[in-house]
Amino acid sequence: GAVVSQHPSRVICKSGTSVKIECRSLDFQATTMFWYRQFPKQSLMLMATSNEGSKATYEQGVEKDKFLINHASLTLSTLTVTSAHPEDSSFYICSASRRVGFLRSNQPQHFGDGTRLSIL
Amino acid sequence: ILNVEQSPQSLHVQEGDSTNFTCSFPSSNFYALHWYRWETAKSPEALFVMTLNGDEKKKGRISATLNTKEGYSYLYIKGSQPEDSATYLCACLRGNEKLTFGTGTRLTIIP
Repeated sequence: GAVVSQHPSRVICKSGTSVKIECRSLDFQATTMFWYRQFPKQSLMLMATSNEGSKATYEQGVEKDKFLINHASLTLSTLTVTSAHPEDSSFYICSASRRVGFLRSNQPQHFGDGTRLSIL
Repeated sequence: ILNVEQSPQSLHVQEGDSTNFTCSFPSSNFYALHWYRWETAKSPEALFVMTLNGDEKKKGRISATLNTKEGYSYLYIKGSQPEDSATYLCACLRGNEKLTFGTGTRLTIIP
């Protein structure tokens, strides 16, 4: 069964709306989670690394005030797209690894099902 | 190579045939190579994580090899079945501890 849960799976809303996406690790603690975005025919692009109890680390070109990340517990990270506009329409997906906070291991990433965001 | 590249972008394979595709990645500062299978409307599922040059891993009819010196990995599927239809993603973990993904190979098995 799924070990990472992400919801909602689909959001359609008007321009200017803020949208919150949740990512939960179901049977393990994750001090680090990752948020990716995928545009059509492109690869998964890392947006930010979510760190439990501290500020997220954003990739170059990703606006931290636009994409608010909160990782308040060991099993939950949220991504809020603030004042979303049509250009924010994309597929957003989160992942986490069982190896607490350490990607340099043989542990694979466990992904949520993703969120398809459409801004009208 | 600065990016992770996968080829082909898509392919159609007759049921029962074997197939393979390629992932190319930067060989410098390499740490690990991940393969994932991503079926429509599902989450990506991990297939393999490989770290050592010459690594070969197998899971049922699917296997993978790794050449870290030249920067490539092959994924093989033997005796393709309809349930193998999916997009296969590879991702490279380098010293910066961030996974860089390829665009995937979309595999369709023709019954």
